[in-house]
Amino acid sequence: DAKTTQPPSMDCAEGRAANLPCNHSTISGNEYVYWYRQIHSQGPQYIIHGLKNNETNEMASLIITEDRKSSTLILPHATLRDTAVYYCIVRAKLYNTDKLIFGTGTRLQVFP
Amino acid sequence: DTAVSQTPKYLVTQMGNDKSIKCEQNLGHDTMYWYKQDSKKFLKIMFSYNNKELIINETVPNRFSPKSPDKAHLNLHINSLELGDSAVYFCASSQDGRKGYEQYFGPGTRLTVT
Repeated sequence: DAKTTQPPSMDCAEGRAANLPCNHSTISGNEYVYWYRQIHSQGPQYIIHGLKNNETNEMASLIITEDRKSSTLILPHATLRDTAVYYCIVRAKLYNTDKLIFGTGTRLQVFP
Repeated sequence: DTAVSQTPKYLVTQMGNDKSIKCEQNLGHDTMYWYKQDSKKFLKIMFSYNNKELIINETVPNRFSPKSPDKAHLNLHINSLELGDSAVYFCASSQDGRKGYEQYFGPGTRLTVT
């Protein structure tokens, strides 16, 4: 089972920041938070990941609370092409190999 | 250049047939995966190989048999296809699955069993 909780859907106006929340209250000390997205009919795409510090790359920023029980993915200037399902994943280890457990995600709709 | 490619993109077949889906990655990664996304859009891992060695084998019927001829290829063979096997199958790869590197996914193969 997924160890994260996300709202099922969100809307965002084009050009505005999209803030996608994720709860992971049972996260362990050595588990990372990963974000992937899936644009309609395509394979999932890696966005960003972090352990406890805030992270930023060319796609997005990741803000993790101090207690690590929740995080927020920020798309600073959403475009129509950012319309997708966004998955927040806590990395699980199995047989010394990481296993991504996908939940139901948040369907982000960016509108003009 | 496509990083992770799958063939075919679409596969329509009848119950009871045997079919294969092929996956290739040109990223030089050590670890490859197969995921299944069902009609309700749940995405679930099936298998993982690291340097041709099977690492993850989820509770998948033994009609599904992955084969990795080399670390750049991971094929999925399915025997005696059933209606419930209809889904989109995604291949993925990562630099080293044992160290949590991000995974790169292929475009998917939509399998329809009639």
